[in-house]
Amino acid sequence: TQLLEQSPQFLSIQEGENLTVYCNSSSVFSSLQWYRQEPGEGPVLLVTVVTGGEVKKLKRLTFQFGDARKDSSLHITAAQTGDTGLYLCAGARGGSNYKLTFGKGTLLTVNP
Amino acid sequence: GAVVSQHPSRVICKSGTSVKIECRSLDFQATTMFWYRQFPKQSLMLMATSNEGSKATYEQGVEKDKFLINHASLTLSTLTVTSAHPEDSSFYICSASGMASGKKAQYFGPGTRLTVT
Repeated sequence: TQLLEQSPQFLSIQEGENLTVYCNSSSVFSSLQWYRQEPGEGPVLLVTVVTGGEVKKLKRLTFQFGDARKDSSLHITAAQTGDTGLYLCAGARGGSNYKLTFGKGTLLTVNP
Repeated sequence: GAVVSQHPSRVICKSGTSVKIECRSLDFQATTMFWYRQFPKQSLMLMATSNEGSKATYEQGVEKDKFLINHASLTLSTLTVTSAHPEDSSFYICSASGMASGKKAQYFGPGTRLTVT
């Protein structure tokens, strides 16, 4: 069973601070997705990274895929209260069914 | 963009009864759908992979006779929780794997909150 270690599990910060969430694995993934989930709702896809070393930006969010495609990070600049939520990373190993392996999630709380 | 719907969004049932949850891909065809279970403040736990026209593949520890999955078309998969018990109370989420807006990804439904009394 391949594991995707996500850290930190819980993060509580003040509005305006920066933060980074990490996902690490000993396995290579063909792609890695980052999702954000709010209570009582399904996860919403933020980004998919495919190429080793790839960096994608989504407004204040920066996503990076490791060169070896075994790890990824999500950096949020100047966090806002609206960023509060559960952030999930998920790796795909390819194949036709696109089965994902999820990290345990990072519950982010941004305080005003 | 890709949309996946689930019905119902919330259901309360009595212990011993069965509950069916529907998952539909609304604007793309999904040959594969996935069913997850999620406990509060925790990540998603994959229960089974639903393949159109064939039997579902269940993850280790998931009872296939209790959680019946049917994927009758390219846009619909159903999960039936049979003889539900209070410990089956959870948030059930489906996802559909497919190509939408030029992107291949897994798109998630909004989830179904099941409460067994």
